[in-house]
Amino acid sequence: DGGITQSPKYLFRKEGQNVTLSCEQNLNHDAMYWYRQDPGQGLRLIYYSQIVNDFQKGDIAEGYSVSREKKESFPLTVTSAQKNPTAFYLCASSERQGRTEAFFGQGTRLTVV
Amino acid sequence: AQTVTQSQPEMSVQEAETVTLSCTYDTSENNYYLFWYKQPPSRQMILVIRQEAYKQQNATENRFSVNFQKAAKSFSLKISDSQLGDTAMYFCAFMKGRGGSNYKLTFGKGTLLTVNP
Repeated sequence: DGGITQSPKYLFRKEGQNVTLSCEQNLNHDAMYWYRQDPGQGLRLIYYSQIVNDFQKGDIAEGYSVSREKKESFPLTVTSAQKNPTAFYLCASSERQGRTEAFFGQGTRLTVV
Repeated sequence: AQTVTQSQPEMSVQEAETVTLSCTYDTSENNYYLFWYKQPPSRQMILVIRQEAYKQQNATENRFSVNFQKAAKSFSLKISDSQLGDTAMYFCAFMKGRGGSNYKLTFGKGTLLTVNP
Protein backbone atom coordinates (compact mmCIF):
# COMPACT_ATOMS: atom_id res chain seq x y z
CA ASP A 1 0.00 0.00 0.00
CA GLY A 2 1.16 3.53 -0.75
CA GLY A 3 1.78 5.96 2.02
CA ILE A 4 4.15 8.07 4.06
CA THR A 5 6.33 6.59 6.75
CA GLN A 6 7.90 8.61 9.52
CA SER A 7 10.39 7.07 11.88
CA PRO A 8 10.86 6.74 14.70
CA LYS A 9 7.52 7.42 16.41
CA TYR A 10 9.23 8.60 19.59
CA LEU A 11 12.71 10.05 19.81
CA PHE A 12 14.72 11.21 22.80
CA ARG A 13 17.91 13.23 22.56
CA LYS A 14 20.19 15.11 24.86
CA GLU A 15 20.37 18.87 24.62
CA GLY A 16 23.04 20.03 22.18
CA GLN A 17 22.87 16.99 19.93
CA ASN A 18 21.69 17.07 16.34
CA VAL A 19 18.98 14.59 15.44
CA THR A 20 17.54 13.51 12.08
CA LEU A 21 13.90 12.59 11.54
CA SER A 22 13.11 10.27 8.66
CA CYS A 23 10.28 10.70 6.13
CA GLU A 24 9.77 8.33 3.21
CA GLN A 25 6.88 8.21 0.72
CA ASN A 26 6.00 5.77 -2.05
CA LEU A 27 3.15 7.82 -3.50
CA ASN A 28 5.31 9.23 -6.30
CA HIS A 29 4.57 12.73 -5.01
CA ASP A 30 6.76 15.63 -6.07
CA ALA A 31 6.08 17.95 -3.11
CA MET A 32 7.01 17.17 0.48
CA TYR A 33 6.60 19.18 3.69
CA TRP A 34 7.73 19.27 7.30
CA TYR A 35 5.51 20.76 10.01
CA ARG A 36 5.96 21.31 13.69
CA GLN A 37 2.94 21.04 15.98
CA ASP A 38 2.82 22.59 19.45
CA PRO A 39 -0.24 22.94 21.70
CA GLY A 40 -2.32 25.95 20.64
CA GLN A 41 -0.07 26.72 17.65
CA GLY A 42 -1.55 24.56 14.94
CA LEU A 43 0.81 23.27 12.25
CA ARG A 44 3.72 25.54 11.44
CA LEU A 45 5.69 24.96 8.26
CA ILE A 46 9.40 24.32 8.69
CA TYR A 47 10.56 23.45 5.16
CA TYR A 48 9.01 22.27 1.94
CA SER A 49 10.29 20.84 -1.31
CA GLN A 50 8.57 20.87 -4.69
CA ILE A 51 11.12 18.80 -6.57
CA VAL A 52 14.29 16.81 -6.04
CA ASN A 53 17.36 18.87 -5.11
CA ASP A 54 15.23 21.92 -4.33
CA PHE A 55 13.62 23.12 -1.10
CA GLN A 56 12.36 26.33 0.47
CA LYS A 57 12.23 27.68 4.01
CA GLY A 58 8.86 27.78 5.68
CA ASP A 59 7.79 30.04 8.52
CA ILE A 60 10.03 28.59 11.25
CA ALA A 61 13.14 27.23 9.49
CA GLU A 62 15.74 28.51 11.98
CA GLY A 63 17.58 25.66 13.68
CA TYR A 64 16.46 23.08 11.12
CA SER A 65 17.94 21.69 7.90
CA VAL A 66 16.67 19.37 5.17
CA SER A 67 17.82 17.58 2.05
CA ARG A 68 15.96 16.20 -0.97
CA GLU A 69 18.35 13.90 -2.79
CA LYS A 70 15.66 11.41 -3.75
CA LYS A 71 12.02 11.91 -4.66
CA GLU A 72 10.94 9.44 -1.99
CA SER A 73 12.87 10.90 0.93
CA PHE A 74 12.86 14.24 2.78
CA PRO A 75 14.79 13.95 6.07
CA LEU A 76 14.71 16.74 8.64
CA THR A 77 17.66 17.50 10.91
CA VAL A 78 16.99 19.33 14.16
CA THR A 79 20.23 21.06 15.02
CA SER A 80 21.57 22.25 18.35
CA ALA A 81 20.73 25.78 17.20
CA GLN A 82 17.01 25.08 17.59
CA LYS A 83 16.18 26.67 20.96
CA ASN A 84 13.07 24.65 21.80
CA PRO A 85 13.13 21.43 19.77
CA THR A 86 10.72 19.36 21.87
CA ALA A 87 7.59 19.01 19.73
CA PHE A 88 5.50 16.77 17.51
CA TYR A 89 6.78 16.73 13.90
CA LEU A 90 4.64 15.85 10.89
CA CYS A 91 5.77 15.08 7.36
CA ALA A 92 3.43 15.35 4.38
CA SER A 93 3.49 14.97 0.61
CA SER A 94 1.30 16.02 -2.30
CA GLU A 95 1.19 15.88 -6.08
CA ARG A 96 2.02 18.88 -8.21
CA GLN A 97 -0.48 17.92 -10.89
CA GLY A 98 -4.05 16.77 -10.46
CA ARG A 99 -5.02 15.96 -6.90
CA THR A 100 -3.69 18.60 -4.54
CA GLU A 101 -4.42 17.47 -1.00
CA ALA A 102 -1.53 16.51 1.22
CA PHE A 103 -1.12 13.09 2.79
CA PHE A 104 0.50 12.87 6.21
CA GLY A 105 2.74 10.50 8.06
CA GLN A 106 1.96 9.43 11.61
CA GLY A 107 4.38 11.89 13.14
CA THR A 108 7.46 11.81 15.35
CA ARG A 109 7.40 13.01 18.93
CA LEU A 110 10.82 14.48 19.72
CA THR A 111 11.79 15.08 23.33
CA VAL A 112 15.04 16.81 24.17
CA VAL A 113 16.26 16.41 27.72
CA ALA B 1 1.73 35.92 2.53
CA GLN B 2 -1.34 33.82 3.04
CA THR B 3 -2.85 33.53 6.52
CA VAL B 4 -5.55 31.23 7.83
CA THR B 5 -7.57 32.11 10.93
CA GLN B 6 -9.75 29.84 13.00
CA SER B 7 -11.42 31.96 15.66
CA GLN B 8 -12.91 29.13 17.73
CA PRO B 9 -10.25 27.33 19.80
CA GLU B 10 -12.80 24.89 21.22
CA MET B 11 -16.37 23.85 20.49
CA SER B 12 -18.73 21.19 21.72
CA VAL B 13 -21.89 19.62 20.31
CA GLN B 14 -24.35 16.98 21.34
CA GLU B 15 -24.41 13.72 19.45
CA ALA B 16 -26.73 13.82 16.38
CA GLU B 17 -26.77 17.63 16.29
CA THR B 18 -25.19 19.96 13.73
CA VAL B 19 -22.14 22.13 14.31
CA THR B 20 -20.33 24.71 12.18
CA LEU B 21 -16.61 25.48 12.42
CA SER B 22 -15.38 28.82 11.11
CA CYS B 23 -12.35 29.65 8.99
CA THR B 24 -11.27 32.84 7.30
CA TYR B 25 -8.22 33.40 5.13
CA ASP B 26 -6.33 36.23 3.59
CA THR B 27 -4.86 36.06 0.10
CA SER B 28 -4.43 38.13 -3.02
CA GLU B 29 -4.57 35.03 -5.21
CA ASN B 30 -7.56 34.18 -7.37
CA ASN B 31 -6.74 30.53 -7.93
CA TYR B 32 -6.32 28.42 -4.81
CA TYR B 33 -7.50 25.40 -2.83
CA LEU B 34 -8.99 25.14 0.64
CA PHE B 35 -9.06 22.09 2.87
CA TRP B 36 -10.40 20.85 6.18
CA TYR B 37 -8.32 18.25 7.97
CA LYS B 38 -9.27 16.24 11.05
CA GLN B 39 -6.76 15.12 13.71
CA PRO B 40 -8.22 12.62 16.17
CA PRO B 41 -6.43 11.65 19.41
CA SER B 42 -4.23 9.25 17.40
CA ARG B 43 -2.75 12.45 15.84
CA GLN B 44 -3.08 11.06 12.30
CA MET B 45 -4.09 13.88 9.94
CA ILE B 46 -7.09 12.94 7.81
CA LEU B 47 -8.50 14.96 4.92
CA VAL B 48 -12.17 15.76 5.48
CA ILE B 49 -13.04 17.89 2.47
CA ARG B 50 -11.49 20.18 -0.14
CA GLN B 51 -12.74 23.08 -2.23
CA GLU B 52 -11.35 24.58 -5.44
CA ALA B 53 -11.73 28.36 -5.43
CA TYR B 54 -12.87 28.45 -9.06
CA LYS B 55 -15.86 26.24 -8.26
CA GLN B 56 -18.92 28.10 -7.04
CA GLN B 57 -20.62 24.96 -5.80
CA ASN B 58 -19.90 24.11 -2.18
CA ALA B 59 -18.17 20.79 -1.63
CA THR B 60 -19.92 18.01 0.30
CA GLU B 61 -18.72 14.65 1.62
CA ASN B 62 -21.47 12.67 3.31
CA ARG B 63 -22.18 14.46 6.64
CA PHE B 64 -19.57 17.14 5.98
CA SER B 65 -20.20 20.22 3.87
CA VAL B 66 -18.64 23.63 3.46
CA ASN B 67 -19.94 27.14 3.02
CA PHE B 68 -17.43 28.81 0.72
CA GLN B 69 -17.80 32.58 0.44
CA LYS B 70 -14.99 33.69 -1.87
CA ALA B 71 -15.64 37.42 -1.66
CA ALA B 72 -15.71 37.28 2.13
CA LYS B 73 -12.74 34.86 2.19
CA SER B 74 -14.66 32.55 4.44
CA PHE B 75 -14.64 28.74 4.44
CA SER B 76 -16.75 27.16 7.20
CA LEU B 77 -17.27 23.45 7.82
CA LYS B 78 -20.66 22.06 8.76
CA ILE B 79 -20.90 18.65 10.38
CA SER B 80 -24.40 17.17 10.38
CA ASP B 81 -25.62 14.33 12.60
CA SER B 82 -22.49 14.59 14.76
CA GLN B 83 -21.02 11.31 15.94
CA LEU B 84 -18.73 10.52 18.85
CA GLY B 85 -16.01 9.63 16.36
CA ASP B 86 -16.06 13.21 15.08
CA THR B 87 -14.32 14.30 18.28
CA ALA B 88 -11.01 15.70 17.05
CA MET B 89 -8.97 18.77 16.28
CA TYR B 90 -10.05 20.31 12.98
CA PHE B 91 -7.66 22.36 10.85
CA CYS B 92 -8.45 24.65 7.97
CA ALA B 93 -5.72 24.90 5.30
CA PHE B 94 -4.90 26.92 2.18
CA MET B 95 -2.78 26.23 -0.89
CA LYS B 96 -2.11 28.43 -3.91
CA GLY B 97 -3.41 27.03 -7.14
CA ARG B 98 -1.79 25.79 -10.31
CA GLY B 99 0.18 28.18 -12.46
CA GLY B 100 2.33 29.36 -9.63
CA SER B 101 5.56 27.83 -8.41
CA ASN B 102 4.69 27.93 -4.73
CA TYR B 103 3.02 24.86 -3.28
CA LYS B 104 3.16 26.07 0.30
CA LEU B 105 0.35 24.61 2.39
CA THR B 106 -0.67 26.90 5.26
CA PHE B 107 -2.76 25.82 8.26
CA GLY B 108 -4.85 27.59 10.85
CA LYS B 109 -4.36 26.98 14.57
CA GLY B 110 -7.22 24.52 14.77
CA THR B 111 -10.54 24.05 16.55
CA LEU B 112 -10.94 21.29 19.12
CA LEU B 113 -14.38 19.75 18.64
CA THR B 114 -15.89 17.55 21.34
CA VAL B 115 -19.01 15.53 20.60
CA ASN B 116 -20.91 14.71 23.79
CA PRO B 117 -23.15 11.65 24.18
